[in-house]
Amino acid sequence: DTAVSQTPKYLVTQMGNDKSIKCEQNLGHDTMYWYKQDSKKFLKIMFSYNNKELIINETVPNRFSPKSPDKAHLNLHINSLELGDSAVYFCASSPTGGYGYTFGSGTRLTVV
Amino acid sequence: GENVEQHPSTLSVQEGDSAVIKCTYSDSASNYFPWYKQELGKRPQLIIDIRSNVGEKKDQRIAVTLNKTAKHFSLHITETQPEDSAVYFCAAWREYGNKLVFGAGTILRVKS
Repeated sequence: DTAVSQTPKYLVTQMGNDKSIKCEQNLGHDTMYWYKQDSKKFLKIMFSYNNKELIINETVPNRFSPKSPDKAHLNLHINSLELGDSAVYFCASSPTGGYGYTFGSGTRLTVV
Repeated sequence: GENVEQHPSTLSVQEGDSAVIKCTYSDSASNYFPWYKQELGKRPQLIIDIRSNVGEKKDQRIAVTLNKTAKHFSLHITETQPEDSAVYFCAAWREYGNKLVFGAGTILRVKS
């Protein structure tokens, strides 16, 4: 039983396409996040949802749109993919206070 | 906003030696400081954490120290082993905004 699961694990797609990444957590956490990890390994937060409500929206192109149908799920949809979107995207979840912050296994997105 | 600086960016040690990674944070309201280890191709995983009301915490070969006045915290790994080789991230929990802010990471290489 994986605590935070992401699908797909790998995604290779052409420029201009639209793709989605899904995330689910079974930890009962209130908050979920999307992070982007580039080739230099830096973990940059993109979005955060608390109980389905968007609470963090960092400077991210509006081609990226998160959706949280319920507090256990946070999906990321990306329109008009660009080469620079290639990265590993991590979903994470946490309870209030940040203790027990847990990452998903990541989705390696390659745009060709 | 919160800013977390991490040094060094790369660290090579001989097996059996100690390794120290240092971080500083800017937001005095930060109250929780976890450390994550990320092995190649895997998710960041929590290895140790410390809350702001504690100065030091130890778990077998790893320890974390916190100096709230100076806004510094450090990870200490003793008797390093090749399997300690990974990228290590420090982070600070910022209540306002409900998110972990990560340092840029340290690539630790343990040479046998």
